[in-house]
Amino acid sequence: QVQLQESGPGLVKPSQTLSLTCTVSGGSIRSGSYYWSWIRQPAGKGLEWIGRIHTSGSTNYNPSLKSRVTISVDTSKNQFSLELSSVTAADTAVYYCARAPNSGYSGNDDGPYDYWGQGTLVTVSS
Amino acid sequence: DIVMTQSADSLAVSLGERATINCKSSQSVLYSFNNKNYLGWYQQKPGQPPKLLIYWASTRESGVPDRFSGSGSGTDFTLTISSLQVEDVAVYYCQQYYSTPLTFGGGTKVEIK
Repeated sequence: QVQLQESGPGLVKPSQTLSLTCTVSGGSIRSGSYYWSWIRQPAGKGLEWIGRIHTSGSTNYNPSLKSRVTISVDTSKNQFSLELSSVTAADTAVYYCARAPNSGYSGNDDGPYDYWGQGTLVTVSS
Repeated sequence: DIVMTQSADSLAVSLGERATINCKSSQSVLYSFNNKNYLGWYQQKPGQPPKLLIYWASTRESGVPDRFSGSGSGTDFTLTISSLQVEDVAVYYCQQYYSTPLTFGGGTKVEIK
């Protein structure tokens, strides 16, 4: 059974960089073909897709955040990470990591999110 | 970006009655080469992450009760709970995975009437 667990500071100061890690257990992050993603949710609001990294190492980011986001993977630790720079109060949210398996359809291999972490609350405040 | 619109912010349904949640995408999420709608439905309860219920618009995820069903194609989709149970009280989100940035609907909160 695959499990994802987010970790990182719960409080970040404005203008600093938010850094989170998602540890994957129950399977290797290198095996299979998956998109490993970050999604966030401000309190009482909806879900916003931040970006993803594919098993191959390729990345896609939400254009609304692209200039501030980096997603990377550390296969030796079975983890992937999020860095969001120059944070403001608007970045306060619960941050989730999630996995989407490739559908296997050539031309458009995206799939739904079948596994999620429990989420971690990050507050941006001085 | 594909905008996902869920017309109802909330919905109150009596126990045992049918709940219908609608979702509309700003452009088609039907991929013509495989005839698949890149549309999923998720259930989120307070303090929990979203849980996948339906994918490809109408395929039920393993372990999801058969009172949950999905329908629709192209730009208009529906999640139906055929007989509402207490444990179904939650917020429901649709999501398109047709193109990046992946996007979610605003959510529909289902409550007991």
